[in-house]
Amino acid sequence: AQKITQTQPGMFVQEKEAVTLDCTYDTSDQSYGLFWYKQPSSGEMIFLIYQGSYDEQNATEGRYSLNFQKARKSANLVISASQLGDSAMYFCAMREDYSSASKIIFGSGTRLSIRP
Amino acid sequence: DTGVSQDPRHKITKRGQNVTFRCDPISEHNRLYWYRQTLGQGPEFLTYFQNEAQLEKSRLLSDRFSAERPKGSFSTLEIQRTEQGDSAMYLCASSLASGGPETQYFGPGTRLLVL
Repeated sequence: AQKITQTQPGMFVQEKEAVTLDCTYDTSDQSYGLFWYKQPSSGEMIFLIYQGSYDEQNATEGRYSLNFQKARKSANLVISASQLGDSAMYFCAMREDYSSASKIIFGSGTRLSIRP
Repeated sequence: DTGVSQDPRHKITKRGQNVTFRCDPISEHNRLYWYRQTLGQGPEFLTYFQNEAQLEKSRLLSDRFSAERPKGSFSTLEIQRTEQGDSAMYLCASSLASGGPETQYFGPGTRLLVL
């Protein structure tokens, strides 16, 4: 069965520093997609970045990059030059591509707090 | 605003009452999903539609829950005879199934409190 594990319930980081949020996953499928979403206190889930299991290069989107290590089944999110507005919950998620069932399985999240 | 919208944003109800939530997806998206998120947890999948067809339902979706997407555009999620355990954030997402990588875009959610 699919599973997403985020082992850091909370993190505090100084503004302008880089931060890495950990995510490991478990799946027996060869074709899958990995996502990171940000959820501010307002509640909306904001899509940040996507990595396909067959993508050879790590995904990047602005200040976000995904450190994808397929053999270790990890998909850590790296935020460079953190800003106060980065304070939020961050969820790692996975979607299997093998069938029409395209639900996403989410981890339990990491609460990131940026200190000024 | 062309994102996913949900209505209402907040709902307080008494146990035993029925509630209905609405989701309007991004206009060209053919897939629509409902998730439930309880405090301190990630969202959990409830059900999804491709156009007007409901293709999968989670075991979390008890008989008191029903979802529709009658014309393949907006969707409604109804909870009958609400219980205190139904208190949660209900999130809607939409995506465009194109055969390639597919990203789900979420709405702001509806926070339900059952007293």
